[in-house]
Amino acid sequence: DARVTQTPRHKVTEMGQEVTMRCQPILGHNTVFWYRQTMMQGLELLAYFRNRAPLDDSGMPKDRFSAEMPDATLATLKIQPSEPRDSAVYFCASGFTEGNYNSPLHFGNGTRLTVT
Amino acid sequence: SQQGEEDPQALSIQEGENATMNCSYKTSINNLQWYRQNSGRGLVHLILIRSNEREKHSGRLRVTLDTSKKSSSLLITASRAADTASYFCARRSSASKIIFGSGTRLSIRP
Repeated sequence: DARVTQTPRHKVTEMGQEVTMRCQPILGHNTVFWYRQTMMQGLELLAYFRNRAPLDDSGMPKDRFSAEMPDATLATLKIQPSEPRDSAVYFCASGFTEGNYNSPLHFGNGTRLTVT
Repeated sequence: SQQGEEDPQALSIQEGENATMNCSYKTSINNLQWYRQNSGRGLVHLILIRSNEREKHSGRLRVTLDTSKKSSSLLITASRAADTASYFCARRSSASKIIFGSGTRLSIRP
């Protein structure tokens, strides 16, 4: 079964450190989404890409967060410097979009980030 | 807020009963999707309904969409213990953006 792979599964770091989360989307998918999930805010859309181009990152704190797709097989989400309020589960999801058609999203199992 | 409204926030029913979850949204949609999330895992797609469809079925799942009321519902019939999970609706607006609701936590009592 094709699946979205996220690494690491868990990350504990100290405030101020850089955090990099990685995602391998499903081969052939052309859209990649980053979501953050917390009890208080639910699932927030941070950024998404189509054909590796960023379409919208308005949900992301620009001063400390950055999202990139160096190539079609890798998406990264970086936080620098990290803060305790960034503690959450970060999900990557991929899908295929063409015109008005979009496939369902396939999610990875997330990176659980704890910033102390 | 990015999120739509889902109700109830939590639902506890007896095994074998039907479970109904509702989702409302504010902006126009291209389609609406329902997902399920088991504890500690990513979301799994259940069913997609397009804006020109009113009802869709998949096994024990039935989804309805009322675009005039900007609402959708997910019905799970003959619930099982394994249906215990959180359920989310997600709407696609233009430009591929997919926004999730706040979810309903469903518990099935044996």
